[in-house]
Amino acid sequence: RKEVEQDPGPFNVPEGATVAFNCTYSNSASQSFFWYRQDCRKEPKLLMSVYSSGNEDGRFTAQLNRASQYISLLIRDSKLSDSATYLCVVNPGGFKTIFGAGTRLFVKA
Amino acid sequence: NAGVTQTPKFQVLKTGQSMTLQCAQDMNHEYMSWYRQDPGMGLRLIHYSVGAGITDQGEVPNGYNVSRSTTEDFPLRLLSAAPSQTSVYFCASSPGQWEQETQYFGPGTRLLVL
Repeated sequence: RKEVEQDPGPFNVPEGATVAFNCTYSNSASQSFFWYRQDCRKEPKLLMSVYSSGNEDGRFTAQLNRASQYISLLIRDSKLSDSATYLCVVNPGGFKTIFGAGTRLFVKA
Repeated sequence: NAGVTQTPKFQVLKTGQSMTLQCAQDMNHEYMSWYRQDPGMGLRLIHYSVGAGITDQGEVPNGYNVSRSTTEDFPLRLLSAAPSQTSVYFCASSPGQWEQETQYFGPGTRLLVL
């Protein structure tokens, strides 16, 4: 079993739709969680950290469920510019960060 | 600030050749790391450093060496290139050793080993 698993997609949604991604992690001792965004042939960039209480940044909402060991990302009112690959990132402790393989999102006009 | 820079952008090697991928950051970050990204695999940690003079292995260190003689630079050396090392390589840095710190990535080096 991979340490961090994501549905690879692709998710194809129309503009204005709401879309949600889930990510599961295997190490119950994991301490910190992030969502990164990666555009085609570009470097990953931090989208948002994921806090225990959940957090929101504009149209993006991240949730953490420690009991079930998953994190989620909800995107409301999708824009064409949201088309990208979304990477789930987990730090199980120490200095080694684990990246999921990513979920591809295509937003269509 | 230039952030994290990587050179070269693209490289083609023959099997058995050696080369060094350069990475530099101008943000005075303590933590630096190297990842490789392969289709369907996500980013995998090769080596990392928590400060000048300190390096350690990540998930896939075989075939790679690193050193950290300055805070700014963290080169990755391929000792004897193999086709399995064809990949996109990203260098990243973060401000400190704390787990919650954001990682800033360089633009990547695309390597093809024939």
